[in-house]
Amino acid sequence: SQKIEQNSEALNIQEGKTATLTCNYTNYSPAYLQWYRQDPGRGPVFLLLIRENEKEKRKERLKVTFDTTLKQSLFHITASQPADSATYLCALPLGSSYKLIFGSGTRLLVRP
Amino acid sequence: EADIYQTPRYLVIGTGKKITLECSQTMGHDKMYWYQQDPGMELHLIHYSYGVNSTEKGDLSSESTVSRIRTEHFPLTLESARPSHTSQYLCASSESQGRDRANEQFFGPGTRLTVL
Repeated sequence: SQKIEQNSEALNIQEGKTATLTCNYTNYSPAYLQWYRQDPGRGPVFLLLIRENEKEKRKERLKVTFDTTLKQSLFHITASQPADSATYLCALPLGSSYKLIFGSGTRLLVRP
Repeated sequence: EADIYQTPRYLVIGTGKKITLECSQTMGHDKMYWYQQDPGMELHLIHYSYGVNSTEKGDLSSESTVSRIRTEHFPLTLESARPSHTSQYLCASSESQGRDRANEQFFGPGTRLTVL
C-alpha cells in the first residue's frame, strides 16, 4: 500500500541556519507533492506544491525538490527564524482523486 | 487567512451523548473533507464530499456521519460518543483546478473533542 515517511524526530537548529526536512514515499508515483505547516492546536496551512515534472520550486525562503527516482522530496528553509518553528507535513494525492495522504510530519525547532 | 470555520473549538462531553461538529466555508469550494488527527500522528481522512448531496467515507473507518445539503456547510455527527472518539477533528475544503487535479486544501482551526 502507499506509504509516506517523514522523520519523526524533531529537527533542532540554530537561527540563521538552513533547515532540511525529508519526505520519502513508497509504492507510489504521485503527479505532485504538497508541503504544509501545522502549528500546535491548529489546522495545517498550505505552503508549496511541486509537480512530477519539476525538480525544484522556490517561494521566498522556502525551497522544495522532488526526485521521482529516489521517491523523495526535500523541503528547505533558508535563514531560519524562531517563527519557523512548527510541524511540517508532506502530502501526496491518492491516485488521480482529489484526496490527499498526509505524512505524520517533522517538528522543526529553531533556537534563537 | 482561510475562510473556513469550525465550531466548537473545544468540546468535553460524556459517553453516549449525540454531538455535531460544525464546519462552514465561504470560498464556494465544491470539495470538503473531515480528518481525524491524534497528537503527533498523521491526518486520517474519515469523510469527504465532492459537492452537494455527495458524501463518501474516507480511508479511516469512523462511526460518524456527515451531510452536505449546502455547498458551504459540512457538519459531522456522532450519534453516541465514546472515549475512543477523543481526538482532534479537522475540516478542510478545496476547489478543482488544473488537468492533474492539483488542489491545495484549506483547513479550519479544528475541534478538540474529549469524551469522558
